[in-house]
Amino acid sequence: EVQLLESGGGLVQPGGSLRLSCAASGFTFSSYGMSWVRQVPGKGLESVSTVSPSGEYTFYADSVKGRFTISRDMSKNTVYLQMNSLRAEDTAVYHCAKLASGRVTATLAQFFHHWGQGTLVTVSS
Amino acid sequence: NFMLTQPHSVSESPGKTVTISCTRNSGSIASYYVHWYQQRPGSLPTTVIYDDNQRPSGVPDRFSASIDISSNTASLTISGLKTEDEADYYCQSFDSNNQVFGGGTKVTVL
Repeated sequence: EVQLLESGGGLVQPGGSLRLSCAASGFTFSSYGMSWVRQVPGKGLESVSTVSPSGEYTFYADSVKGRFTISRDMSKNTVYLQMNSLRAEDTAVYHCAKLASGRVTATLAQFFHHWGQGTLVTVSS
Repeated sequence: NFMLTQPHSVSESPGKTVTISCTRNSGSIASYYVHWYQQRPGSLPTTVIYDDNQRPSGVPDRFSASIDISSNTASLTISGLKTEDEADYYCQSFDSNNQVFGGGTKVTVL
């Protein structure tokens, strides 16, 4: 059974930093792209960042580019999201998601197949 | 970057059919697969359609999807509407740099 367990959320002041972690189990971690998707409670979904299976390629939403960094540690089956220069508009629940391929294997073409329960990030003074 | 635009809400009676549109403002809808997710209140999203029109195992065939190149629009159709279909539905696609979600459509079963 696929399990994705996020941690690292919390309350941080504007301009501060947080590192989110997502511990993955139940699948061959190195074979799948992984993403962070955020959702403000009661609002829509936003794809924040994605990393390819090997970790070689990373992608970011314009809203976080230059401030957030995604990475993965194959030895720990964990994906991270380093968030710097946080803003009030970054406040959301951050979900870790495992990608799955259908007819193509390009990372960005894949769909979000499994989701973690999420960790709440609140940016406020 | 591109955007995907969905209607804010749709409503219909049980047993009827609803169609949710998802219009891409830049780049051809046919060049990038569209995926659809259902999110019931208090739950995580689940995939109801991937790769434009493929149904994951376990998703009933009441759910179908298509793309219209002329309007650059993808559509999700739910037929034989059931109360359990009441949820938010999101389309999602990509380009060379990003994955993007539509704003979501709330489906209400009257």
